[in-house]
Amino acid sequence: TQLLEQSPQFLSIQEGENLTVYCNSSSVFSSLQWYRQEPGEGPVLLVTVVTGGEVKKLKRLTFQFGDARKDSSLHITAAQPGDTGLYLCAGHTGNQFYFGTGTSLTVIP
Amino acid sequence: DSGVTQTPKHLITATGQRVTLRCSPRSGDLSVYWYQQSLDQGLQFLIQYYNGEERAKGNILERFSAQQFPDLHSELNLSSLELGDSALYFCASSRDHINEQFFGPGTRLTVL
Repeated sequence: TQLLEQSPQFLSIQEGENLTVYCNSSSVFSSLQWYRQEPGEGPVLLVTVVTGGEVKKLKRLTFQFGDARKDSSLHITAAQPGDTGLYLCAGHTGNQFYFGTGTSLTVIP
Repeated sequence: DSGVTQTPKHLITATGQRVTLRCSPRSGDLSVYWYQQSLDQGLQFLIQYYNGEERAKGNILERFSAQQFPDLHSELNLSSLELGDSALYFCASSRDHINEQFFGPGTRLTVL
């Protein structure tokens, strides 16, 4: 059982569409990060959220941390082929750092 | 460029052999993490070191071991290699033991 469950696991959309990826847990996290990974490369940090209810924007990407700090979402507006990749959420709770199950996004031109 | 370096980039070896993967963290980072990523599995946490001491252990096999040296670089040793050990191995570093992590480019290990 994974501490951080992401949904959907796979997502294939047309360029220009909007999408939302979810990261859920029954545990409370001190902070939560989102990473994007391209094939054969290491994950790259996109954002860190710390406060419950926090919303951060990175160009067309909007990240939200749940009020109870147990979940997070990533919304992409007007997706582009360059957004294609594996999106991973990760968080720190207790003395450990956990990665989510991942969402593989393909944006079709 | 995350500032984390890993060598070698590719490694091809035979079953039963032993290999060492090396990682240099970002300047100023005290914590180093090792992960394994294979095609059918997500990012699997192996082990974490903080300032030279083992901090947390994940799904690391007994055939695998790691250490962090006084200059904070780390090595992951994989022995008695099996076909199933073929994977991408990533190192990440963070400022302390709970901060966001920055990943290296990975070492692709192929066991034939």
